[in-house]
Formats: sequence, C-alpha cells, structure tokens
Amino acid sequence: DAKTTQPPSMDCAEGRAANLPCNHSTISGNEYVYWYRQIHSQGPQYIIHGLKNNETNEMASLIITEDRKSSTLILPHATLRDTAVYYCIVRVSGSARQLTFGSGTQLTVLP
Amino acid sequence: EAGVVQSPRYKIIEKKQPVAFWCNPISGHNTLYWYLQNLGQGPELLIRYENEEAVDDSQLPKDRFSAERLKGVDSTLKIQPAELGDSAVYLCASSLSPAWGQDTQYFGPGTRLTVL
Repeated sequence: DAKTTQPPSMDCAEGRAANLPCNHSTISGNEYVYWYRQIHSQGPQYIIHGLKNNETNEMASLIITEDRKSSTLILPHATLRDTAVYYCIVRVSGSARQLTFGSGTQLTVLP
Repeated sequence: EAGVVQSPRYKIIEKKQPVAFWCNPISGHNTLYWYLQNLGQGPELLIRYENEEAVDDSQLPKDRFSAERLKGVDSTLKIQPAELGDSAVYLCASSLSPAWGQDTQYFGPGTRLTVL
C-alpha cells in the first residue's frame, strides 16, 4: 500500500471548517483513500473513503486531486468532539488486507 | 445496529500471568482482525480471520500469543505468559466480505492491558 504524509498537528476554531491534508504521491490506480479518526481512549472510527471522485457523507467530505496524489478531508463545522487523531490510509479495496496506520494528524478544535 | 463489542475494556495483571480478550464482531461480518496499539502509535495487525480460518497471522508472536474464532463469529485473543512489553491496547475490527468490495473495517473500543 502507498505511503501517506500528514502534518503532525492542526488547530481549528469551533464552528469553522477543518481541512486536513494528506499526500500520497505514490498511490496506484486501484488504491482507495480511507480516512479514520481516533478519539482519545476509543477505537479508530471510519469516516469516509474514495477512489477518484469527491465523496461526502454525514460526517465529512473528501476531496481528491485530479492526479490523485493528494487529498483533503473536510469537517464542515468542527465541534469540540471532533478533537482526535486523523489517519489517512491508502489501500486496495476488496483485498481485506490490514490497514497500515501512519502517525496521523492530531486535530485540536479550540473553543 | 450494534458495533464491534470487546471485553474487558481494561485489564491489569502481573507479569507471567495469562490474559484473554474477547471480541464480538458486527453481525454478518465474515472478516475479523486483531490489532495491537502501543502508546502514541497507530494500530498494527496481529491476525486476520476469514470466517474460522486465520488467513494472516504472520505478525502474531506465536510463542506466547494465540487466537481462535470458533464458529466464525466471536474471537478470543490470549497471551500466556504476559510480559511487561505487552502493555498496550488490543483492538478488534470486522468487515464484510472483501470479495464484494465491502471491506471497510469497523473497530471496537479496545482492551487496555497493563502488565505490572
């Protein structure tokens, strides 16, 4: 699976949009971009995933660049409960292989 | 729909003692994973089951760790004997069949093990 690069930490004001970047310049054509988050003392929580089109669900939006070498996770109206470590993971779908977690981005939502 | 259930949530034991963790996956999920998460790091796979079969246990320390998934539903992960370095969070995850591309993994809350 392709390697990802994320900033180690970010801050965001409560109520504002949080934009979390991820670089995956070696991504292959059949690899999806997955986002998980882990709130302190909880298990990782699935957020969203996509291949090349932008995706949106009730939690977030995922914007993938046209060349697929980077993506951005957008939390439209961040709340204090969104404070967590956010992991960007690239993997082939349909393989059931393990998720390879990097260091992630610690997002802190400030009141 | 209930998520992945794990128990206990916390366990404190003396070194050299045995310990077991239990996981009940999301109903209908054929694939079950056990991950280990050390403090400040991301989870790392220990073992993956497809129904009853362990299809990837290459990262499971087999001298002291064992796992089983009888009847292809619940799973138990055991450590015997535990060592100080085993202190970590043990996470269970499950997913539907990868054959249909439905392999998004959903995690339980984890068991935090402290070995004294």
